[in-house]
Amino acid sequence: NAGVTQTPKFRILKIGQSMTLQCAQDMNHNYMYWYRQDPGMGLKLIYYSVGAGITDKGEVPNGYNVSRSTTEDFPLRLELAAPSQTSVYFCAARGIGDYGYTFGSGTRLTVV
Amino acid sequence: KNEVEQSPQNLTAQEGEFITINCSYSVGISALHWLQQHPGGGIVSLFMLSSGKKKHGRLIATINIQEKHSSLHITASHPRDSAVYICAVQTSGSRLTFGEGTQLTVNP
Repeated sequence: NAGVTQTPKFRILKIGQSMTLQCAQDMNHNYMYWYRQDPGMGLKLIYYSVGAGITDKGEVPNGYNVSRSTTEDFPLRLELAAPSQTSVYFCAARGIGDYGYTFGSGTRLTVV
Repeated sequence: KNEVEQSPQNLTAQEGEFITINCSYSVGISALHWLQQHPGGGIVSLFMLSSGKKKHGRLIATINIQEKHSSLHITASHPRDSAVYICAVQTSGSRLTFGEGTQLTVNP
């Protein structure tokens, strides 16, 4: 099982560019999340989804957008990239009930 | 003050030592998670707890809901246990709030 797959692993963007971080899961889990991790800080929730067609903002949603057209995919869109968005981004998924979280391997994004 | 506080921030141990990492939280929770982040950056879920104690191999996690406190113990520590250990609490809507992590280094 692949679990949660994130692409790309690394990316350098110029200020003002846009990009989409891809996240796909093959566990049929309802819940999916996008987090960012800045050096020395705990992970912060950007957006989450409780099922296909349903998304909601987390703690730090500004500058990002998401969609959830299928159970499997939960892409994160960055519009007009800014240096403050330099971070490591993690996608995670969780099923209903007594399940832990499954994390993707992360995307290291640098905005210059 | 953060909703989730971990201690210590950094911990260095010798191989074989018993290790304890603590987590205190200030909000009502439905569950508490312990995660491990490897030096390469990947994050693995270790435990999900809502009461009592869980054990997996050399790892033991406990939670005291009344005191809003959890501990992660590692018995017979090994250099491969070196990682960042993260406590996260699950609040309403299945959202997680994370501690800043504890950097553990186990020397041979």
